[in-house]
Amino acid sequence: DAGVIQSPRHEVTEMGQEVTLRCKPISGHNSLFWYRQTMMRGLELLIYFNNNVPIDDSGMPEDRFSAKMPNASFSTLKIQPSEPRDSAVYFCASSETGAKNIQYFGAGTRLSVL
Amino acid sequence: SQQGEEDPQALSIQEGENATMNCSYKTSINNLQWYRQNSGRGLVHLILIRSNEREKHSGRLRVTLDTSKKSSSLLITASRAADTASYFCATANPQAGTALIFGKGTTLSVSS
Repeated sequence: DAGVIQSPRHEVTEMGQEVTLRCKPISGHNSLFWYRQTMMRGLELLIYFNNNVPIDDSGMPEDRFSAKMPNASFSTLKIQPSEPRDSAVYFCASSETGAKNIQYFGAGTRLSVL
Repeated sequence: SQQGEEDPQALSIQEGENATMNCSYKTSINNLQWYRQNSGRGLVHLILIRSNEREKHSGRLRVTLDTSKKSSSLLITASRAADTASYFCATANPQAGTALIFGKGTTLSVSS
């Protein structure tokens, strides 16, 4: 398997623009997680899905952030409108139920909002 | 607040030395895991220890778990320059469903 695939790897945008990050989990994994990593705050869980259903979105910073998982092989994290403080590395991870919650991470998307 | 807190935040050693990182957590757990993150990359799972285990080995890695103290340690023996990375502990606990709670990590630098 190719692992968790995220796109794009890098995104540079201007404040106010919409940003969409994409994730393809490992086939057969039924849990998907979105994280944000910054030097100041470390690794933060934003939202996670089980079987395509959002379970906990308490980490989503505000209404500008939204996430969807329309099917088992695709998820998006959208920021609209983007702000400079959203600049961070965003990771997607997936795991398999019954596999001790071991998570497999994508390579991340480095977002810079100017 | 963070479930796992690693200590120290940063560690610098010479090749061949051992590196020890500690993790403390706050609530009951099902298991505790350690992950490594190389610069610019995603986290990679290293080793998992269940709540009823006290010690586990994998190659040059040794993990201990003390549930009475809610703490764990990761020992890397005979370190190599390639071990340079950030190391995170993560806990799976009954209240968090399938989610893990990650600490802020220890940054390890191994110089040759």
